[in-house]
Amino acid sequence: KAGVTQTPRYLIKTRGQQVTLSCSPISGHRSVSWYQQTPGQGLQFLFEYFSETQRNKGNFPGRFSGRQFSNSRSEMNVSTLELGDSALYLCASSFLADSYNEQFFGPGTRLTVL
Amino acid sequence: AQSVTQPDIHITVSEGASLELRCNYSYGATPYLFWYVQSPGQGLQLLLKYFSGDTLVQGIKGFEAEFKRSQSSFNLRKPSVHWSDAAEYFCAVGASTDKLIFGTGTRLQVFP
Repeated sequence: KAGVTQTPRYLIKTRGQQVTLSCSPISGHRSVSWYQQTPGQGLQFLFEYFSETQRNKGNFPGRFSGRQFSNSRSEMNVSTLELGDSALYLCASSFLADSYNEQFFGPGTRLTVL
Repeated sequence: AQSVTQPDIHITVSEGASLELRCNYSYGATPYLFWYVQSPGQGLQLLLKYFSGDTLVQGIKGFEAEFKRSQSSFNLRKPSVHWSDAAEYFCAVGASTDKLIFGTGTRLQVFP
């Protein structure tokens, strides 16, 4: 069974631009979560989608948004990029949405904002 | 508030030596606890998890962890470390609203 895939793997943008990251979960998984990883803040939860509905949202500004499609694939969008948005963005999928379900992580998308 | 503390930022051990990585959590209810490992340029891989029952949990790659409610700890152990274990290790607690709350990680370096 294929793992979680994220595209693109690397991205370079400039301040003020917007970016869209994509995540394809493991086949059959309906929950997709997004995390931001930075050296200063560590791993922080962004949001979670289950069956095309946002279930939970972390403490991030409205510039960060996401959505999930009927095939469970998810995208996250960051508008008006700031230097501090440079990070590794990790996507994780699980079969169900409860917090005790094992989450399987993708390799991440490394975003650099110049 | 829920939180996870990993007091050791960086640990260095010799290959073949034993290892213990510390993790303390703060969570009001019965916690769901996880240990993940991240190799450079990779995503996170689950080593083991605790939900309930036996407080000593066995995981992959020869790792184990012990849940101690009285100490709010979930320390990761391995009796004999291999050079391929060099990576960053994250302890996490499963929270209903924040999905996974991670500690800041412990970077493990292994000397031959």
